[in-house]
Amino acid sequence: RKEVEQDPGPFNVPEGATVAFNCTYSNSASQSFFWYRQDCRKEPKLLMSVYSSGNEDGRFTAQLNRASQYISLLIRDSKLSDSATYLCVVTNTGGFKTIFGAGTRLFVKA
Amino acid sequence: EAQVTQNPRYLITVTGKKLTVTCSQNMNHEYMSWYRQDPGLGLRQIYYSMNVEVTDKGDVPEGYKVSRKEKRNFPLILESPSPNQTSLYFCASTPGGKSSTDTQYFGPGTRLTVL
Repeated sequence: RKEVEQDPGPFNVPEGATVAFNCTYSNSASQSFFWYRQDCRKEPKLLMSVYSSGNEDGRFTAQLNRASQYISLLIRDSKLSDSATYLCVVTNTGGFKTIFGAGTRLFVKA
Repeated sequence: EAQVTQNPRYLITVTGKKLTVTCSQNMNHEYMSWYRQDPGLGLRQIYYSMNVEVTDKGDVPEGYKVSRKEKRNFPLILESPSPNQTSLYFCASTPGGKSSTDTQYFGPGTRLTVL
């Protein structure tokens, strides 16, 4: 079983739709959690950190459930420019090791 | 401009010919890391470094070496490349000594093909 698992998609949604991505992690000692965005084989870029209290940045909301070892990302009012791969990221081993999920591909269509 | 640079960006080589991929950051970051990305597997951590002269293995260190003699540079060395090391490689850095507390800034990637 992979340490961080994501639905690979692809998710195909129309502009304006709300889309939710899920991620589960297996190591209960994981310290920190992030969502990164990656455009077509370019370098990943941080989208947002994820906290148990929830984290919102404009149209994006991230949530962490430590009890269920589950992380989510909600995108509201999808834009064409949101088309990308979304990577769930977890850090372990005192915060030094980084584990990436395989990513969820999103296509937003006009 | 604050950035992480990698060289070369593209490399085609043959089995067994030693190569080095350089990574340099100009942000005075303490933590640096190397990843490889393969279809369906996502990014996997090869090695990381918490500071100068301090390195440790990630999840897929076999066939790779690293060194951290200066804070800004973290080269990835393939002593005897094999075709299964054909991949897209990313270097990243963070300000603190860990990847858990800060944004990781990634280089543009190095696409390596080993024939």
